[in-house]
Amino acid sequence: EVQLVESGGGLVQPGGSLRLSCAASGFTFSGYWMSWVRQAPGKGLEWVANIMQDGGGKFYVDSVKGRFTISRDNAKKSLYLQMNSLRAEDTAVYYCARLVNVPTATEYFQHWGQGTLVTVSS
Amino acid sequence: SYVLTQPPSVSVAPGQTARITCGGNNIGSKSVHWYQQKPGQAPVLVVYDDSDRPSGIPERFSGSNSGNTATLTISWVEAGDEADYYCQVWDSSSDVVFGGGTKLTVL
Repeated sequence: EVQLVESGGGLVQPGGSLRLSCAASGFTFSGYWMSWVRQAPGKGLEWVANIMQDGGGKFYVDSVKGRFTISRDNAKKSLYLQMNSLRAEDTAVYYCARLVNVPTATEYFQHWGQGTLVTVSS
Repeated sequence: SYVLTQPPSVSVAPGQTARITCGGNNIGSKSVHWYQQKPGQAPVLVVYDDSDRPSGIPERFSGSNSGNTATLTISWVEAGDEADYYCQVWDSSSDVVFGGGTKLTVL
């Protein structure tokens, strides 16, 4: 059974940093693209970032470029999101997701974790 | 950037058919995916590539896509289908795009 368990969320001041982690199990982690998707309180889903199987390719939504960094450790079967220069509008539940990527055709999120809440407030 | 438009809400009586639309410019040329999200839970993929269902998703859930509109159809609606539903596509210029979501209410 595919399991994705996020951790690392919490309360942080504007301008601060936070590192999210996602522990994967139940599948060959190194064989899949992985993603972070977020959801602000009472709002819809927003894609944040993707990372290729070997970590060589990384893609971000414009609003987090230069502030967030997605990474992975295939030996530890873990996905990370380093978030710097946090803003109030980054407040959201952050979901780790396993991505299906069909090059130049489509992408979709096959499995999701339960999410971790990040609150940016003074 | 590519935009997906969903109605904010859809209401249906138990046993009836619910249709949730997702509008986008020439969306019929893209693969559309649908997610169900119940309150306090993570999203779940219910339809991918316009009309395919992941294992474990009931046949009551089906999808179609043509022209400027994709549709998620839920037949024989049950109380347990009450949730938010999101459509999603991949666009070469926008990457991953979600619709704004539709709240399905079972009357």
